[in-house]
Amino acid sequence: EDQVTQSPEALRLQEGESSSLNCSYTVSGLRGLFWYRQDPGKGPEFLFTLYSAGEEKEKERLKATLTKKESFLHITAPKPEDSATYLCAVQPVLFSGGYNKLIFGAGTRLAVHP
Amino acid sequence: DSGVTQTPKHLITATGQRVTLRCSPRSGDLSVYWYQQSLDQGLQFLIHYYNGEERAKGNILERFSAQQFPDLHSELNLSSLELGDSALYFCASSVGWDTQYFGPGTRLTVL
Repeated sequence: EDQVTQSPEALRLQEGESSSLNCSYTVSGLRGLFWYRQDPGKGPEFLFTLYSAGEEKEKERLKATLTKKESFLHITAPKPEDSATYLCAVQPVLFSGGYNKLIFGAGTRLAVHP
Repeated sequence: DSGVTQTPKHLITATGQRVTLRCSPRSGDLSVYWYQQSLDQGLQFLIHYYNGEERAKGNILERFSAQQFPDLHSELNLSSLELGDSALYFCASSVGWDTQYFGPGTRLTVL
């Protein structure tokens, strides 16, 4: 069964203290892995798409990496405004009759304190 | 701003009632998806429409239904509402099989 597990569930950092969030996945075949940021009561905001092992993408203080079994979201020198829930989602390879299915993890709640 | 719009932002209603949530996708996107997010369930896929046709159903209750209109906007209808239906409902849109962009959501409270 396709599954996504994110860890830790919650993370508290001091401003400037770098860290990484983990997304482990089990799918029959991976078409893409997506990272989203979600603020309380708001819709998920797209951050990155990764398609193949070894791929890396960066945006400001965030860098996402992908291996065959997991993805990491590295946060360098975080600021309080980076506080949010970070969601990982995997898109399995489409077989005949398939659809654009996203399987979401439960998310990591990040709190960055001044 | 993702370009996906949803109305209303908030909805408060009573058990047994019926409500309609509306979504307008990003310009050019033919696919619309509906998701439910509750505190204990995370983001759960409900249903996918592509260019007016239903493509897939996820964990959608029989009391819930959706449709996508010729102008590509979509509506999610929730009927015989129960307390447990209280949640955030999100719409997302995409071009084909690519990245899904989410709207701001509708917060439904059933009293």
